[in-house]
Amino acid sequence: GENVGLHLPTLSVQEGDNSIINCAYSNSASDYFIWYKQESGKGPQFIIDIRSNMDKRQGQRVTVLLNKTVKHLSLQIAATQPGDSAVYFCAERHTGNQFYFGTGTSLTVIP
Amino acid sequence: NAGVMQNPRHLVRRRGQEARLRCSPMKGHSHVYWYRQLPEEGLKFMVYLQKENIIDESGMPKERFSAEFPKEGPSILRIQQVVRGDSAAYFCASSPPGPPNQPQHFGDGTRLSIL
Repeated sequence: GENVGLHLPTLSVQEGDNSIINCAYSNSASDYFIWYKQESGKGPQFIIDIRSNMDKRQGQRVTVLLNKTVKHLSLQIAATQPGDSAVYFCAERHTGNQFYFGTGTSLTVIP
Repeated sequence: NAGVMQNPRHLVRRRGQEARLRCSPMKGHSHVYWYRQLPEEGLKFMVYLQKENIIDESGMPKERFSAEFPKEGPSILRIQQVVRGDSAAYFCASSPPGPPNQPQHFGDGTRLSIL
């Protein structure tokens, strides 16, 4: 399953499929990006980060891709599980330690 | 290894009252950030503090809102004379000292309801 930018804030995928969540960021000067997962009633949980001098970073079952040319960030989740159901936010760092968060994408995993 | 602790988890106030939200950062973290989140929206930056100093308060309303991070004790976000529009979830995050490109770790928030 895949969503495009912020126009499709919900994404439903079958358990076991791969998920791709996209984020268009605003500031070409942003140099550090984080993906967070937020479950209902909880705070955002760090998933993976990437610096602007990289275009790809992999973690456990997750991969973040950064395309600075078009100011686009994506999060790929392999073999999506029901526990992955949550809202996913991208956050970009402009200057100092201030982060700007996107609107978020709600991921629902269908068993 | 305790994470970021926020209390209370839920706070109900009547219009005109004061709300005090507390945040204890992770052990070893000296940077604290406050964010506000409305339902089905992203987090909006409010203020960034280090011990005894406000570093960046560009996201905080000029009136009624204040924040502190004293030498001892938790960080406090204070909202005076609350109005209905202050109803939101308020999240605190912390990060360790050092280079700025480090992830912020969040607490589970305080849900503020104004009657």
